[in-house]
Amino acid sequence: GAVVSQHPSWVICKSGTSVKIECRSLDFQATTMFWYRQFPKQSLMLMATSNEGSKATYEQGVEKDKFLINHASLTLSTLTVTSAHPEDSSFYICSARDLQEKLFFGSGTQLSVL
Amino acid sequence: AQSVSQHNHHVILSEAASLELGCNYSYGGTVNLFWYVQYPGQHLQLLLKYFSGDPLVKGIKGFEAEFIKSKFSFNLRKPSVQWSDTAEYFCAVNYYNTDKLIFGTGTRLQVFP
Repeated sequence: GAVVSQHPSWVICKSGTSVKIECRSLDFQATTMFWYRQFPKQSLMLMATSNEGSKATYEQGVEKDKFLINHASLTLSTLTVTSAHPEDSSFYICSARDLQEKLFFGSGTQLSVL
Repeated sequence: AQSVSQHNHHVILSEAASLELGCNYSYGGTVNLFWYVQYPGQHLQLLLKYFSGDPLVKGIKGFEAEFIKSKFSFNLRKPSVQWSDTAEYFCAVNYYNTDKLIFGTGTRLQVFP
């Protein structure tokens, strides 16, 4: 089946630094990718919808200057958490939609900001 | 607001027991419904989905779910669980003409041999 690769799976960083998370569709083209975050014991919350070649659409309450999303190709979307702070510590998951409208999820990235 | 509720946060069963996990969503018109599973250390995988037609949907690994429109529910069932079913289960709803998938908080299932 289709595979979405998310990297890194786990990252620890110092407060104030930036972290980039990559989401790749390995064997299909994804015109649309989605970024979610999940706090412990809570549901996945959609942060933004990323469309190839255009600006991402952010959900209400998500700071677009803090969570930079780039979808420069049909197989790669990146999420950069800029100037990360401890409250940004969370589990981030991407998903990619193929041409048949099926959604496939990455394995997630656990971000811990010290 | 559009929302999804999973009332069982943690379920513990013995092998061969029957399983039913609840999922309710708030009214918002036509919906597409999904159950995802996340095995320990793995990514989310689709178990089954309902778009239209027969409200009883069969998925992989012996799981099924029934869409009851009048109750806004999409409960997941399996007649006899196995130890390998230990995982986190997420119900998700896509309201028609939106891109969003709204997830429930998940249910952690532990199956003991």
